[in-house]
Amino acid sequence: IAGITQAPTSQILAAGRRMTLRCTQDMRHNAMYWYRQDLGLGLRLIHYSNTAGTTGKGEVPDGYSVSRANTDDFPLTLASAVPSQTSVYFCASSDEQGATDTQYFGPGTRLTVL
Amino acid sequence: GQNIDQPTEMTATEGAIVQINCTYQTSGFNGLFWYQQHAGEAPTFLSYNVLDGLEEKGRFSSFLSRSKGYSYLLLKELQMKDSASYLCAVRDSNYQLIWGAGTKLIIKP
Repeated sequence: IAGITQAPTSQILAAGRRMTLRCTQDMRHNAMYWYRQDLGLGLRLIHYSNTAGTTGKGEVPDGYSVSRANTDDFPLTLASAVPSQTSVYFCASSDEQGATDTQYFGPGTRLTVL
Repeated sequence: GQNIDQPTEMTATEGAIVQINCTYQTSGFNGLFWYQQHAGEAPTFLSYNVLDGLEEKGRFSSFLSRSKGYSYLLLKELQMKDSASYLCAVRDSNYQLIWGAGTKLIIKP
């Protein structure tokens, strides 16, 4: 069982380019999340999805979009990248049926926008 | 606003005990989590508290006082591999996790 995978591992992107970060989980978790992590700041929620077919905005959604066509995949798209989107991006999933609804994280994507 | 406070950095000696504090002010409370994050890696779940008191799990323990908006993570018999950042997160009334910036723990021989 792989858990959660993310691709690419890292990417350098020119400003203005479109980029999709991929996230796939094989745990059949209903809920999935996208966070960004910046030095000195806590993880900040970008978008989330409580179940396939639904999505919601987190704390910092501007400049990002997501889709949830099925249970396993939750891609994050930057329509036109800007340098302030340079960050480490983590995808996570959780089992809402579990007692604690603990979130489990993918290995992250390190994105640099120049 | 919602706020989670943790010390930025702490240093401890191998074999010793260290306590990492977390205070929070959130809109509602539906549980508190501690995660460990090694440099360049993903956060991994350590503990969960929803009721007041101490939860013990091997060398790690986590305490919660809801009335004080306070938690701590206690690490005993420190090992070099415990050098990492420790993240405190609170689930608010909307069932979203609010994260602290993390405490970088440095273990010295």
